[in-house]
Amino acid sequence: DAGVIQSPRHEVTEMGQEVTLRCKPISGHNSLFWYRQTMMRGLELLIYFNNNVPIDDSGMPEDRFSAKMPNASFSTLKIQPSEPRDSAVYFCASSPTGQGREKLFFGSGTQLSVL
Amino acid sequence: AQKVTQAQTEISVVEKEDVTLDCVYETRDTTYYLFWYKQPPSGELVFLIRRNSFDEQNEISGRYSWNFQKSTSSFNFTITASQVVDSAVYFCALSEGGRGGNKLTFGTGTQLKVEL
Repeated sequence: DAGVIQSPRHEVTEMGQEVTLRCKPISGHNSLFWYRQTMMRGLELLIYFNNNVPIDDSGMPEDRFSAKMPNASFSTLKIQPSEPRDSAVYFCASSPTGQGREKLFFGSGTQLSVL
Repeated sequence: AQKVTQAQTEISVVEKEDVTLDCVYETRDTTYYLFWYKQPPSGELVFLIRRNSFDEQNEISGRYSWNFQKSTSSFNFTITASQVVDSAVYFCALSEGGRGGNKLTFGTGTQLKVEL
């Protein structure tokens, strides 16, 4: 079975450019999460969706970040304009439902470098 | 607000030694779930175990064991007879059972280095 698929694996861009990260959750999973990992702040939840609806976006750093989930099989995280401090590994994760007992299945991450 | 503390930033051991990774959590919920994830050098996050707040029975899986104690709000992880392949960053995480769904709050991780 295919796991959570993220693309690209690596992204290098210049400050001010738009960056779009993509995620395909596991088929049948109803919850999707975007996390960011940095040395300074560790793993932070940015936003999560239930049944394609954003439930909690309180972790989104600022208006430069936006996330969408147009259907059950696809989500994007966009940064516009990007800044060097956005450099991090961005993980997408999914779970079958949004219940607290469920584990998350993580993708391999996107390593973003903003120069 | 929920919080997970992993006070050990980095631990180095020699192969075959036992090692315990500490995790202390804070939550106001009576129903919650605790997790351990492993992040090997390749970078992916791998699920290891989940416990719910009503089950304090310790668990053993091969060389891995977990000690959950509500009285001290701790969920510690022990690797017996460590191996080089155990070298990774280990994260403890918490999700609350209520309306918060299963969004995980992670600790800062413990880097485990197992040397020959």
